[in-house]
Amino acid sequence: GAVVSQHPSRVICKSGTSVKIECRSLDFQATTMFWYRQFPKQSLMLMATSNEGSKATYEQGVEKDKFLINHASLTLSTLTVTSAHPEDSSFYICSALLERGGLRGQYFGPGTRLTVL
Amino acid sequence: GNSVTQMEGPVTLSEEAFLTINCTYTATGYPSLFWYVQYPGEGLQLLLKATKADDKGSNKGFEATYRKETTSFHLEKGSVQVSDSAVYFCALRGYSGGGADGLTFGKGTHLIIQP
Repeated sequence: GAVVSQHPSRVICKSGTSVKIECRSLDFQATTMFWYRQFPKQSLMLMATSNEGSKATYEQGVEKDKFLINHASLTLSTLTVTSAHPEDSSFYICSALLERGGLRGQYFGPGTRLTVL
Repeated sequence: GNSVTQMEGPVTLSEEAFLTINCTYTATGYPSLFWYVQYPGEGLQLLLKATKADDKGSNKGFEATYRKETTSFHLEKGSVQVSDSAVYFCALRGYSGGGADGLTFGKGTHLIIQP
């Protein structure tokens, strides 16, 4: 149990276009999901906390108008990179917070590799 | 703010060798500490955790003890296997930044076990 998927796993787009990345909790409901970004040989950096039914909470330095987050249901959060530029190329990873039977933890998706040409 | 520092890799060991991956942290308050593992082509998986000082997390032969006095959470395993080859991330959960549950990660340590 506690599986999180991401789609797509890899995307290449042209500069100026928008890209949507989906994060789904497959076998549990998650009111809270997180979006991270990972640069090569760097740690994962928390971008934002996605809350079902309310606005996302962004970390300092993350542009909310650039990285749109929608958590429309208890099993789906989406991250849209708007007007993508080459510097947005990165590995984006989501996680979903599981709170069940006293267990609490973040379960991670496999990540999405974004390349902006 | 919170930060995590872990030894840089890659770390290359022979099968059955003893493993230590160092991790130190800075944080306000009393963070929870985690080790995550990422196998090739897969997402991060929680390996073990500790939520208060002197707690020892353990799983699959791996252990780490929450040392508040040295602000450390070193990962150890007595005898590694080829299947342990992966990238290991040390992380903490504190209360800085936007979310109470957002994790702060180290850069990751790539472990390579040779038969």
